[in-house]
Amino acid sequence: GAGVSQTPSNKVTEKGKYVELRCDPISGHTALYWYRQSLGQGPEFLIYFQGTGAADDSGLPNDRFFAVRPEGSVSTLKIQRTERGDSAVYLCASSFGGSHTGELFFGEGSRLTVL
Amino acid sequence: AQSVTQLDSQVPVFEEAPVELRCNYSSSVSVYLFWYVQYPNQGLQLLLKYLSGSTLVKGINGFEAEFNKSQTSFHLRKPSVHISDTAEYFCAVSDNFNKFYFGSGTKLNVKP
Repeated sequence: GAGVSQTPSNKVTEKGKYVELRCDPISGHTALYWYRQSLGQGPEFLIYFQGTGAADDSGLPNDRFFAVRPEGSVSTLKIQRTERGDSAVYLCASSFGGSHTGELFFGEGSRLTVL
Repeated sequence: AQSVTQLDSQVPVFEEAPVELRCNYSSSVSVYLFWYVQYPNQGLQLLLKYLSGSTLVKGINGFEAEFNKSQTSFHLRKPSVHISDTAEYFCAVSDNFNKFYFGSGTKLNVKP
């Protein structure tokens, strides 16, 4: 498809487990963002990639959260030792990094439930 | 850092009535402003944006917003809403496109 693809769409896990969430951005988009949306809240910034490098990871809540984008395309958000408070919808967005117009293209999100 | 306040969590309105969704922001630097819409079971999509120039910006589906620097507001308006406008609307700001700050959203419920 032509849009941002996120997998899985739903993930249920147990407290303490490890989780990976994948984002496949729009082809040619160099900028990639991860956001977290808790119930009743707006998206909260986690991390921003420009190409392969994390240009801004100031939103990652703690060292249990880590994200990679090794080839400048697909990105994986990794959460270690999950906690119930990590339950949320994790959103990925991409955009043209070089001549940014400010428009983010969002995927439908990965809903994470930690039991 | 910036922040965004959307005071109205829910706005009920009848079809064909006008609507205004309020957005206020705080920032110590100049910002760019955005409105995104999220329809049920879909990702967020851009409605409109203010980057520079005219303070009145028009977006898709007949929506418009006015940037008011003195009041630090960017309210979204539509003169006549349709049932299909039922969705959640998010206001967002950014000063450098590295990080976008979103409000908590306003659910617009258009009734027949």
